[in-house]
Amino acid sequence: KAGVTQTPRYLIKTRGQQVTLSCSPISGHRSVSWYQQTPGQGLQFLFEYFSETQRNKGNFPGRFSGRQFSNSRSEMNVSTLELGDSALYLCASSLAGRGSVNEKLFFGSGTQLSVL
Amino acid sequence: GENVEQHPSTLSVQEGDSAVIKCTYSDSASNYFPWYKQELGKRPQLIIDIRSNVGEKKDQRIAVTLNKTAKHFSLHITETQPEDSAVYFCAASGDSGGYQKVTFGTGTKLQVIP
Repeated sequence: KAGVTQTPRYLIKTRGQQVTLSCSPISGHRSVSWYQQTPGQGLQFLFEYFSETQRNKGNFPGRFSGRQFSNSRSEMNVSTLELGDSALYLCASSLAGRGSVNEKLFFGSGTQLSVL
Repeated sequence: GENVEQHPSTLSVQEGDSAVIKCTYSDSASNYFPWYKQELGKRPQLIIDIRSNVGEKKDQRIAVTLNKTAKHFSLHITETQPEDSAVYFCAASGDSGGYQKVTFGTGTKLQVIP
């Protein structure tokens, strides 16, 4: 079974631009969550989608948005990029349906975003 | 919401020694506590987890303990090896409106010195 796939692997953008990241979950997984990873800050939760609906949202500004398609693939968009947005963006998929907790997360390799 | 604190942020041990990483959580409703290992340049991967109805779980050289009363859980690695060098993340998970919500600690960078 193929793992979680994230594209692109690396991105270089300038301040003010916008960017779209893509995540394809493991086949059969309907939950996709996104995390921002920076040195010393660990894994900061951005949002989580299940069956095309955002179920949970972290404490990030509205410049960060996402969506999920009917095939469970998810995209994350960041508008008006700032220098502080430079980070590794990880997505993770799981089976977690309603009423299902304790589900293992499977992470992608991430997209390394550099904002100049 | 849930808050997970993780200590220490960095840890250096000699090969063969034990390593202990500790986490505390704030939400007494959290009922699942996974640990993820992230090697340099790689994705985080689950290495062990524990549910709230269990006090301890072992898998070869790694073990996790949970004290629900104190809201503490810890990762123990015995007989450390160079390949144990990585960043380790603890997490607490529980129900959030019928769905799972996972909160991670800030990570511990473990260095095993040969």
